[in-house]
Amino acid sequence: AQSVTQLDSHVSVSEGTPVLLRCNYSSSYSPSLFWYVQHPNKGLQLLLKYTSAATLVKGINGFEAEFKKSETSFHLTKPSAHMSDAAEYFCVVSANTGFQKLLFGTGTRLLVSP
Amino acid sequence: SAVISQKPSRDICQRGTSLTIQCQVDSQVTMMFWYRQQPGQSLTLIATANQGSEATYESGFVIDKFPISRPNLTFSTLTVSNMSPEDSSIYLCSVSGGEDTDTQYFGPGTRLTVL
Repeated sequence: AQSVTQLDSHVSVSEGTPVLLRCNYSSSYSPSLFWYVQHPNKGLQLLLKYTSAATLVKGINGFEAEFKKSETSFHLTKPSAHMSDAAEYFCVVSANTGFQKLLFGTGTRLLVSP
Repeated sequence: SAVISQKPSRDICQRGTSLTIQCQVDSQVTMMFWYRQQPGQSLTLIATANQGSEATYESGFVIDKFPISRPNLTFSTLTVSNMSPEDSSIYLCSVSGGEDTDTQYFGPGTRLTVL
């Protein structure tokens, strides 16, 4: 069975400081992993996707994530937060149960203060 | 990536009524999915809709409550039937297909409030 755990429900940073959003997964095979972002009153936007080509994945808006199989982690980082990064972030794993199902983490709300 | 639109964007409904949500994609896609996002929560998959076949529902969701249509490769509808306040949620459709069958792209969502 697959599962995904986002370790922090809220993360607060100051503008210009680094961002770290933590995600751990459990899977019996090599999964695809995703980060999606949801801005207030908006739909979900794909930030980045890991398959198996490279462990460090670069996404949009300066975000990147590193796949660490030994730690079963897929943490999302950004060197310098911007006010516009304030949003809800979801770590997602492909469920491998057919029909390309996705399993969503509970989400991390990123707060950015001036 | 595909451009996805949903109608309506939001609605306020009375309990006991039904609402049909439309999802339109600007290109042909293999799979369409419907999700529910309850207030302050993550996304839960309701069902998977493949064109030309019956939708496949997840545990806890039934066709009588959430009937789905998928008449062609660019369109789907989700109906929320006999609504109660507990159905107040954001309903999102997503699509996958083409070469990257693993990745899903989401519509903007329909915010439903049931009084």
